[in-house]
Amino acid sequence: GDSVTQMEGPVTLSEEAFLTINCTYTATGYPSLFWYVQYPGEGLQLLLKATKADDKGSNKGFEATYRKETTSFHLEKGSVQVSDSAVYFCALIFSSGSARQLTFGSGTQLTVLP
Amino acid sequence: ETGVTQTPRHLVMGMTNKKSLKCEQHLGHNAMYWYKQSAKKPLELMFVYSLEERVENNSVPSRFSPECPNSSHLFLHLHTLQPEDSALYLCASSPEWGGRGVGADTQYFGPGTRLTVL
Repeated sequence: GDSVTQMEGPVTLSEEAFLTINCTYTATGYPSLFWYVQYPGEGLQLLLKATKADDKGSNKGFEATYRKETTSFHLEKGSVQVSDSAVYFCALIFSSGSARQLTFGSGTQLTVLP
Repeated sequence: ETGVTQTPRHLVMGMTNKKSLKCEQHLGHNAMYWYKQSAKKPLELMFVYSLEERVENNSVPSRFSPECPNSSHLFLHLHTLQPEDSALYLCASSPEWGGRGVGADTQYFGPGTRLTVL
């Protein structure tokens, strides 16, 4: 079945460091891909998304590019802030056919130190 | 501010209690979802409603009973829960269920209800 694999955390960085959180997926066909963020004590917020190969999603300085050849959607940010400390989830969904569920990765805890 | 609200934010209940969780979306969406988030486990989809009809029920115990009276409101009725049901319960909505348009199936989440069963 469809699955999403994220790099295991926790990840601890200093402020202004470069961030990469790896995400790869296994799916038949071409799903839409998402990154969600969950701040402490809150629900999930949509961070960015990409619906087809080579699309780049971006928001709040975060970017991720849909790479069909490597089945990846890695999250990057050039300079992290303390306020970016949260859990990040990679997810995929098919927009047609029988596979309609949003499939999540296990989440990556990010802590940014001042 | 996500456009999806959930009440209460925190709930403590005994195993013999009956309580309900409420979700309301102000986004004009047609599909609504309940998820369970437990510590150290991936998010689990529980129920999906599309246009007020239940379209998915992922083997959820009958002590959880969903209700969708209209496309803006979703309830999760709880009775005779177990301590292992303690978790964060998240509600989400999307424009459509299984929609083919760009963004039609993008889900927006509420803040969740933190449930503790004693």
